[in-house]
Amino acid sequence: AQKITQTQPGMFVQEKEAVTLDCTYDTSDQSYGLFWYKQPSSGEMIFLIYQGSYDEQNATEGRYSLNFQKARKSANLVISASQLGDSAMYFCAMREGHNTGNQFYFGTGTSLTVIP
Amino acid sequence: KAGVTQTPRYLIKTRGQQVTLSCSPISGHRSVSWYQQTPGQGLQFLFEYFSETQRNKGNFPGRFSGRQFSNSRSEMNVSTLELGDSALYLCASSLVGGMRGANVLTFGAGSRLTVL
Repeated sequence: AQKITQTQPGMFVQEKEAVTLDCTYDTSDQSYGLFWYKQPSSGEMIFLIYQGSYDEQNATEGRYSLNFQKARKSANLVISASQLGDSAMYFCAMREGHNTGNQFYFGTGTSLTVIP
Repeated sequence: KAGVTQTPRYLIKTRGQQVTLSCSPISGHRSVSWYQQTPGQGLQFLFEYFSETQRNKGNFPGRFSGRQFSNSRSEMNVSTLELGDSALYLCASSLVGGMRGANVLTFGAGSRLTVL
């Protein structure tokens, strides 16, 4: 089974509108971390936001927030007030707690296009 | 603070050749991970090094190898190149390994390998 599933290959959003990018995960660990990264056309992966499995509050970082629903095993990224510079690939990722190393599992990504 | 530096950024090789890619992590980061990114397979974990020891390895053939030096710089080597090895190879560094807080991966810009 896939560890991380992103079901939206492509999304469009109007500038200044909010958009939600979906992510579901699969793990039997109680302790895990969830991450979102942005990859512009330049190729570099940029860290956006982190949610720990024991965090009671949803994570927020500026215009980014993570809608964490533990029972549903979902960790959706919400981008508020979209900007043209938000057009990029977005990847959801997970690190499992049983792993003593720092191996991340990535989803297949969602391509976001912001329309002026 | 300098980011993760990967060299070379672009390279073209022919089948059967070998290639060595280099990664200099952020100063103070002891964990270095390598990922292969292709349009078909997405981001796949290759291996992780921590304090000069390989701690995790993904499902790649033995043609893919790596090492880490005492200054945390890392190299990965691919021998007997195949067409399917054409990909963006991303290096990422982090402070420590394991489940300690966010322990975010910081990525380099990648090395884009084309095998002809």
